[in-house]
Amino acid sequence: SQTIHQWPATLVQPVGSPLSLECTVEGTSNPNLYWYRQAAGRGLQLLFYSVGIGQISSEVPQNLSASRPQDRQFILSSKKLLLSDSGFYLCAFRKGSYSNQPQHFGDGTRLSIL
Amino acid sequence: QKEVEQDPGPLSVPEGAIVSLNCTYSNSAFQYFMWYRQYSRKGPELLMYTYSSGNKEDGRFTAQVDKSSKYISLFIRDSQPSDSATYLCAMTRISSNTGKLIFGQGTTLQVKP
Repeated sequence: SQTIHQWPATLVQPVGSPLSLECTVEGTSNPNLYWYRQAAGRGLQLLFYSVGIGQISSEVPQNLSASRPQDRQFILSSKKLLLSDSGFYLCAFRKGSYSNQPQHFGDGTRLSIL
Repeated sequence: QKEVEQDPGPLSVPEGAIVSLNCTYSNSAFQYFMWYRQYSRKGPELLMYTYSSGNKEDGRFTAQVDKSSKYISLFIRDSQPSDSATYLCAMTRISSNTGKLIFGQGTTLQVKP
């Protein structure tokens, strides 16, 4: 079976510090990968998605970037965090492209910027 | 107008009640429909995944799709306090390479013992 891991679960960072959140998937090859942000009481906002190694699509302009250095690894980064970057960050995967399979989510990272 | 509309609630029901959660959508290109359950401080968990119009049942959960009305529902029978969570509907277009989902805002459900 496929599993997805995200870490850390909670992170408190000062404004202006860098960020690196990691997500890995097990049990499937060439998954589609996604980063979402969920603000309190609001829906899911898609930030980035990737259909293959080194292929990153950005959905919204922002202070964040994403990379996919390996098939099943997805990283969310920032060089300098802003207060507005606070939120709940979720990684998700879908089994392959054109598969019409649903997305499955990790348990998220709660990021607080001070 | 949002592509997917979902009443955020909160919805409060007594234990044992039948719960009805709903979403409407505007784009007829949506063909695949999902319901996710999200507990506080956790990621969304896939509950139901449907394609065709009609009903799909899984234990106490029934997903209903009406493509002609652009309306989907999730019914929970014999609701339990453990069903207290936020329920998100999601949908996508057919044969999408990106698999991008459009989510509703989520409905917060509280089941009181």
